[in-house]
Amino acid sequence: AQTVTQSQPEMSVQEAETVTLSCTYDTSESDYYLFWYKQPPSRQMILVIRQEAYKQQNATENRFSVNFQKAAKSFSLKISDSQLGDAAMYFCAYRSGFTNFGNEKLTFGTGTRLTIIP
Amino acid sequence: DARVTQTPRHKVTEMGQEVTMRCQPILGHNTVFWYRQTMMQGLELLAYFRNRAPLDDSGMPKDRFSAEMPDATLATLKIQPSEPRDSAVYFCASARTGGPGELFFGEGSRLTVL
Repeated sequence: AQTVTQSQPEMSVQEAETVTLSCTYDTSESDYYLFWYKQPPSRQMILVIRQEAYKQQNATENRFSVNFQKAAKSFSLKISDSQLGDAAMYFCAYRSGFTNFGNEKLTFGTGTRLTIIP
Repeated sequence: DARVTQTPRHKVTEMGQEVTMRCQPILGHNTVFWYRQTMMQGLELLAYFRNRAPLDDSGMPKDRFSAEMPDATLATLKIQPSEPRDSAVYFCASARTGGPGELFFGEGSRLTVL
């Protein structure tokens, strides 16, 4: 079974600075997807960024980018120019690339609570 | 604006009572997931449907929980009888098989069992 590990329960960053959240995963599959979700106090789960394992290029969405190291099974999220609205729980998630029986679910890490210091 | 709709948003009930949570997936999505979020366990998959058929309910306590999809626009999660340890936020999510892979989540139902 796949596992996702987020070793930083809490992080904080000064507004406008850059912060990196860590995520590692364990899988024997070669084809998969990785995601970062954001959960603000409203508790809505919001997709931040997606990475397909077959793509070597790191995904970027505006101020959010990832460092995907497939051999190391590492998938970190970098937030540049941090804003107060970035304060939330951030979850790393894994999904198999094989959509046969029962493989479409996401497996989540335990989350990192990000605080933005004004 | 397509979104997953969950009801109720909040539910407080007494131990032993039946609780039913409902979910309307995004139109055109054929997979539906129920997750439970607690401080101790994080986000756990309870059940997963594709084309209304249950594919994985291994995370669901079978003695008191049941999940169904009466039709493509409605998924239900029922707890009978409820217990204080069932207090959690229950999320429904949907996706389209063959799509980009991410799940679209509802706003969650916060359940408190006294």
